[in-house]
Amino acid sequence: EAEVAQSPRYKITEKSQAVAFWCDPISGHATLYWYRQILGQGPELLVQFQDESVVDDSQLPKDRFSAERLKGVDSTLKIQPAELGDSAMYLCASSPGTSGRRDTQYFGPGTRLTVL
Amino acid sequence: GENVEQHPSTLSVQEGDSAVIKCTYSDSASNYFPWYKQELGKRPQLIIDIRSNVGEKKDQRIAVTLNKTAKHFSLHITETQPEDSAVYFCAARYSGYSSASKIIFGSGTRLSIRP
Repeated sequence: EAEVAQSPRYKITEKSQAVAFWCDPISGHATLYWYRQILGQGPELLVQFQDESVVDDSQLPKDRFSAERLKGVDSTLKIQPAELGDSAMYLCASSPGTSGRRDTQYFGPGTRLTVL
Repeated sequence: GENVEQHPSTLSVQEGDSAVIKCTYSDSASNYFPWYKQELGKRPQLIIDIRSNVGEKKDQRIAVTLNKTAKHFSLHITETQPEDSAVYFCAARYSGYSSASKIIFGSGTRLSIRP
């Protein structure tokens, strides 16, 4: 069964450094999401792509976070500079976007970020 | 604004008993309500979902009910087993039928099954 892939699985960095996370959605899925999940809380949407276009980035701290999905397939989320409060699990998810199950989201394993 | 409230935050039930988790949403236009199970250190996985054109859906020991008038939806797990222990998240999709509309998650319920 196809799954969403993410790398790295774990990342430890010092504050003010740059970090980047990568996500490869399920093949053919048009919609891609990046979420941040703080321990003990539900996932919070950071950015949503429909193909290569951003459709929602209202919760993305744009002064330090950026996301791209250049060819409408895989995606990169970057933080520069990282801050202590960015420590969290970063989850990527994808959904078909156009079929009958268009809004069913499938999550990747996540990247656990620790900022020291 | 957009909000999904989930209760309780923790729930402990005896093995074999039933567990119920409740959520409320704020946008009356919401039309899709998934439930996710997240085991420790693992990714959230969809366990059941319901759309606004039905009031109840069942899949073996799991059922979800939706009350659109009250803007409530609930997850029911019957005959609980140790492997049901996990964090459960409800969610609601806002703003229409576009695949670009946002899904908002509740804060989660940590379910523990006592042997």
